[in-house]
Formats: sequence, C-alpha cells, structure tokens
Amino acid sequence: GENVEQHPSTLSVQEGDSAVIKCTYSDSASNYFPWYKQELGKGPQLIIDIRSNVGEKKDQRIAVTLNKTAKHFSLHITETQPEDSAVYFCAARDAGGTSYGKLTFGQGTILTVHP
Amino acid sequence: GAGVSQSPRYKVAKRGQDVALRCDPISGHVSLFWYQQALGQGPEFLTYFQNEAQLDKSGLPSDRFFAERPEGSVSTLKIQRTQQEDSAVYLCASSPDGGMGGYTFGSGTRLTVV
Repeated sequence: GENVEQHPSTLSVQEGDSAVIKCTYSDSASNYFPWYKQELGKGPQLIIDIRSNVGEKKDQRIAVTLNKTAKHFSLHITETQPEDSAVYFCAARDAGGTSYGKLTFGQGTILTVHP
Repeated sequence: GAGVSQSPRYKVAKRGQDVALRCDPISGHVSLFWYQQALGQGPEFLTYFQNEAQLDKSGLPSDRFFAERPEGSVSTLKIQRTQQEDSAVYLCASSPDGGMGGYTFGSGTRLTVV
C-alpha cells in the first residue's frame, strides 16, 4: 500500500516569513494529493490539493508543488501569520484500483508562527 | 446540515466496555469515511461507505470494530470490549463524490479507555 513521509515534524517561523513542508510518497500510481490543516480540538480541514496532471497550484498565500518523477510534493505558505499556527498533514490517494478517495496521511507538521 | 457532526465529542470507557460513536454526514453526501487518529499521528483509514454499502473495511484493526450505515445517512462505529490501545480520536468524513476531490471531516470523538 501507499506510504507517505512528511518533514519536518515541527517548524517554527517568525510572522511574515515563509514556511515549507515536504512529503514523499511511495505509490507511483497515486494521483491526488491534498493538504489538511488541523487546529486543536478540530477535525482536519482541506486547504489545498493537487492532481497528478498539474505541477503547481496556488491559492493566495498557499501553494503546492508536485514532482511526479521524484514522488514528492510540498506545501509553501508565504507571509505567515499567527493564525497559520496549526498541525498540517499531507496525504496521497491510494490508487489501488479503487473508485473512491481512500487517503494515506503523513505524520503531520506542527507549525508555530511567532508574532 | 452545515457540516459533519460527530457525537459524543468525548468518551471515557472502562476497559472491556462497549462504545458506539455516531456520525451525521453532510446532507446528500453519498460517501462516508471513518479514520482513527492516534495522539501525535496522522489519521489512518478504517472503513468506507457508499450510501448504505460498506465497500471497504480493510482498515478496521480487529473484529471488535464494527461500522454500519443502515439508511445511507447516519453512521455508527462500534467498538466492543474496548482496550487501552483503542484510545484515539475517531474522525468521520463525508463527500458527495466518493472522496475523489477531498472530503469534509467532523471534529471527531476522543475516546479514552481507562
């Protein structure tokens, strides 16, 4: 099955700096890669996603890049704000012949943005 | 409803007790997923329903875990004879399209087995 590795496990930045979180996946057939933000006591919230036919996607201060050859994808947050502080998870859709979105998640990155 | 609703938010069970966790998906969403999230870890897939059909239960850790969605809307995850290793947050998510474009999670039920 799919295996997703995420780094770093913790990331501390100053407000206004950029933050980058990286993930690698094992199954070359995986074709959908979402990123989720989880705040304390809440469920994960989808913030951006990318499909395997696209190399980069941006949404305001957030961008995701995908390198299919190397099987890695990254989340970039620019101009970070204290409210960006949360746990971020990458995920990959297990393509294994299914017609539904079974996800394998990374271990998470605790992002802290200092004012 | 406006979002995925899970109840109870917190559950403390004595070891050996049976528990039932409820999920109310977004109205009209045909797909429903259950995930287990251990402390400090990412969510792990448990099971998937399309309407009332349980199409994948490959992630259920043991035969003590059972999930149902009899009318294709509300789902219940039942854990029999709870053990300490069952302590985790149980997340439910729903999607209108099989989850192919991401899905909406509920806030989860935090289960603590003592």
